[in-house]
Amino acid sequence: DTEVTQTPKHLVMGMTNKKSLKCEQHMGHRAMYWYKQKAKKPPELMFVYSYEKLSINESVPSRFSPECPNSSLLNLHLHALQPEDSALYLCASQWGGSYRLDGYTFGSGTRLTVV
Amino acid sequence: DAKTTQPTSMDCAEGRAANLPCNHSTISGNEYVYWYRQIHSQGPQYIIHGLKNNETNEMASLIITEDRKSSTLILPHATLRDTAVYYCIVRAPHGSGNTGKLIFGQGTTLQVKP
Repeated sequence: DTEVTQTPKHLVMGMTNKKSLKCEQHMGHRAMYWYKQKAKKPPELMFVYSYEKLSINESVPSRFSPECPNSSLLNLHLHALQPEDSALYLCASQWGGSYRLDGYTFGSGTRLTVV
Repeated sequence: DAKTTQPTSMDCAEGRAANLPCNHSTISGNEYVYWYRQIHSQGPQYIIHGLKNNETNEMASLIITEDRKSSTLILPHATLRDTAVYYCIVRAPHGSGNTGKLIFGQGTTLQVKP
């Protein structure tokens, strides 16, 4: 298995809803990442997990809450989002920890719309 | 992390080589050059990376100038499926004050035409 799987592919949520994005990989990668991408813009780094520990939080608002329950799974919990949070949310993983120089494997993303 | 400068867009004829330039004049000695691409509605895809020697893999070749201030990604025989946004990224290894973060710039939109 050489893929990063993200679910759901599309999500529409209201501003008072609580939802979660899921990312899964079975390549033995020990670094996992969340990126946010607005339309026609490059991906922006949100969080970095290395060996299941949060190592970087790019000053992301607390309405985004990451969780790494095990080495294969990464979640992004969403609560009280704003319409401007609508974007493509990308998950990536990397062999070894975040200190490695290997390339990242990205998932296809979850397209989130906040109404 | 050093910044990169890429042309906003480029065209290439199908079957010809696509040469994508990247300027990174402020690159530090321990920073690597990475290339990723993003096909419409998909996640970015890793292509290649290098420090100072030229690199080649099954997807592309990476040519880094001797002073390391610029590089060129070469797709030897471009196909329509190579139409994508190509990102050149400079990244330092994690450690010694560096976070090792992969930060995307604006990229080059490559349009391969029949």
